[in-house]
Amino acid sequence: DTAVSQTPKYLVTQMGNDKSIKCEQNLGHDTMYWYKQDSKKFLKIMFSYNNKELIINETVPNRFSPKSPDKAHLNLHINSLELGDSAVYFCASTPHRTSMNTEAFFGQGTRLTVV
Amino acid sequence: TQLLEQSPQFLSIQEGENLTVYCNSSSVFSSLQWYRQEPGEGPVLLVTVVTGGEVKKLKRLTFQFGDARKDSSLHITAAQPGDTGLYLCAGRFSGYALNFGKGTSLLVTP
Repeated sequence: DTAVSQTPKYLVTQMGNDKSIKCEQNLGHDTMYWYKQDSKKFLKIMFSYNNKELIINETVPNRFSPKSPDKAHLNLHINSLELGDSAVYFCASTPHRTSMNTEAFFGQGTRLTVV
Repeated sequence: TQLLEQSPQFLSIQEGENLTVYCNSSSVFSSLQWYRQEPGEGPVLLVTVVTGGEVKKLKRLTFQFGDARKDSSLHITAAQPGDTGLYLCAGRFSGYALNFGKGTSLLVTP
């Protein structure tokens, strides 16, 4: 049973389209994250939610909008896709936001290609 | 966002060789973790170090945390092809989101 699952795994779309990536965790964790991994493999935090509340919002274009319907789900909606949005997007979770030393569990990633 | 510098960026070695990967920052870490990522997968935790000077071993992998908690190293003894992957250091400074280094891509050939 997958701990953190993302869908879809691959997404190819044209510039200007709007797309969503879904993430679900069955670990009972309170805190979920979205990371972006660029072509050079650099993983950068985008957003973090704790119990459906936004707690981290790094410098990300407002075309990106996270939504957390409940603490087990964190979706990412992207409007007006641009070529530079092409990357692998990872969802992750940790037990709670004050857990400094605990493991972050990652999904398998969604490879987004904008053409 | 505090920066973590990792080196080397790429490493290609033969089976049986030893190697060391470094992770450095100008800031003090609250804790530091090492993750390994295989192609098409998300990062998976290898180890967490918390105390300055701490050394942890995981089979052929040895992790060291600097005394000042600003740097860390990962040493692999007698590398095997199964060690191939992307090694990422990640630190939490004052918050709870992980900040990652740029990674070290390791290729071990038979």
